[in-house]
Amino acid sequence: AQTVTQSQPEMSVQEAETVTLSCTYDTSENNYYLFWYKQPPSRQMILVIRQEAYKQQNATENRFSVNFQKAAKSFSLKISDSQLGDTAMYFCAFMKGRAGGTSYGKLTFGQGTILTVHP
Amino acid sequence: DSGVTQTPKHLITATGQRVTLRCSPRSGDLSVYWYQQSLDQGLQFLIQYYNGEERAKGNILERFSAQQFPDLHSELNLSSLELGDSALYFCASSVDSQGPNTEAFFGQGTRLTVV
Repeated sequence: AQTVTQSQPEMSVQEAETVTLSCTYDTSENNYYLFWYKQPPSRQMILVIRQEAYKQQNATENRFSVNFQKAAKSFSLKISDSQLGDTAMYFCAFMKGRAGGTSYGKLTFGQGTILTVHP
Repeated sequence: DSGVTQTPKHLITATGQRVTLRCSPRSGDLSVYWYQQSLDQGLQFLIQYYNGEERAKGNILERFSAQQFPDLHSELNLSSLELGDSALYFCASSVDSQGPNTEAFFGQGTRLTVV
């Protein structure tokens, strides 16, 4: 079974600054996907960024980028130029890849990190 | 708007009762997933359906059941409700359960309160 750990229950950052959220995971799979989801106070789950484990290049989406360290099983999210609208709970999630058997498609989530952006 | 519709948005019911949560996936999505978000358990996978058939099961209680209908909408049935079942229940859908189109789109959730 996979586990995902987010060791930072809460983080805060000043507007326009950069913040990094940590995530580690444990798996014996070689083919998998990693995601960061954002849950604002509206409680909607919004996909922020995804990373395929077979890709060495770190994914980026505008102000959001990841540092994927496969050997260390680490997947951190960096938010640059933080905005007030980034205030939310952030979840790291794992999904088995094509060779994952009957569990493919389901997401295993970490506990979440509450990020507050201060003006 | 993710395109995934969940009804109702809020539900308050008494212990011992039974409720049904409904989910309409995005147009064209064949996979539907149910997740439970609670303060003590976090976000947990309950069950997945793919094109009408159960594909995977997670930590779903025997008092809970789900199904996916021919029009691909899904229902999650919760019976003999207990106070601990109070949670936010999410439905998510995706085109396929694997391959490049792996992104799951989430509905806004149903907030269930058992009193």
